[in-house]
Amino acid sequence: QVQLVQSGAEVKKPGASVKISCKTSGYTFSNHFMHWVRQAPGQGLEWMGQANPNGITTKYAQNLQGRVTMTRDTSTSTLYMELSSLRSGDTAMYYCVREGEQLSGPSRNFDYWGQGTLVTVSS
Amino acid sequence: QSALTQPPSASGSPGQPVTISCTGTSSDIGLFNHVSWYQQHPGKAPKLMIYEVDKRPSGVPDRFSGSKSGNTASLTVSGLQAEDEADYYCCSYAGSSNAYVFGSGTKVTVL
Repeated sequence: QVQLVQSGAEVKKPGASVKISCKTSGYTFSNHFMHWVRQAPGQGLEWMGQANPNGITTKYAQNLQGRVTMTRDTSTSTLYMELSSLRSGDTAMYYCVREGEQLSGPSRNFDYWGQGTLVTVSS
Repeated sequence: QSALTQPPSASGSPGQPVTISCTGTSSDIGLFNHVSWYQQHPGKAPKLMIYEVDKRPSGVPDRFSGSKSGNTASLTVSGLQAEDEADYYCCSYAGSSNAYVFGSGTKVTVL
């Protein structure tokens, strides 16, 4: 079955960087777009960006441009997300998300979610 | 990109219907049929309930349905059950820069 298993919780100081991993299994990694979505405590969901199946092309939310980097390692079916220059507003649960299967084009829905990684930014 | 607008809360008795609206713009919901809905129980990851406006993934009960008119999408639960009590989020593809925008979320309470 499809599984997305994320790395553990992180506590970081303002200005630091964090890198989260997402190990996938149960499907062909290179056939799907992958995304990251975050959720601040008690708040709604926010799309952060996507990594294309080719492992090269990425798209990021405009408000995170320059601070976020998404990479994928096809040899280990693992997705990574690095966020730099952390501030208190980055405190959130971060989810690794699989986009549904492409048929005639990108599906543009999120069919499997990781369990989440809590990142706390505090001095 | 601003969040899609949802009512903060909705409620109904068991067996009763409840409908949640999700209002966007002509650049997202009004332009694309890539509207999806997610259910989130406390402390859990979201779960896909509806995609492409009105399609249900395998395993989602048929009491969940979706629709769209103009810039507004809707999720209807035709007969509420206790396990439907959760937060619900809509999401739309917004095109430019391959952006996705989520709704503000609606807490559904089963009375």
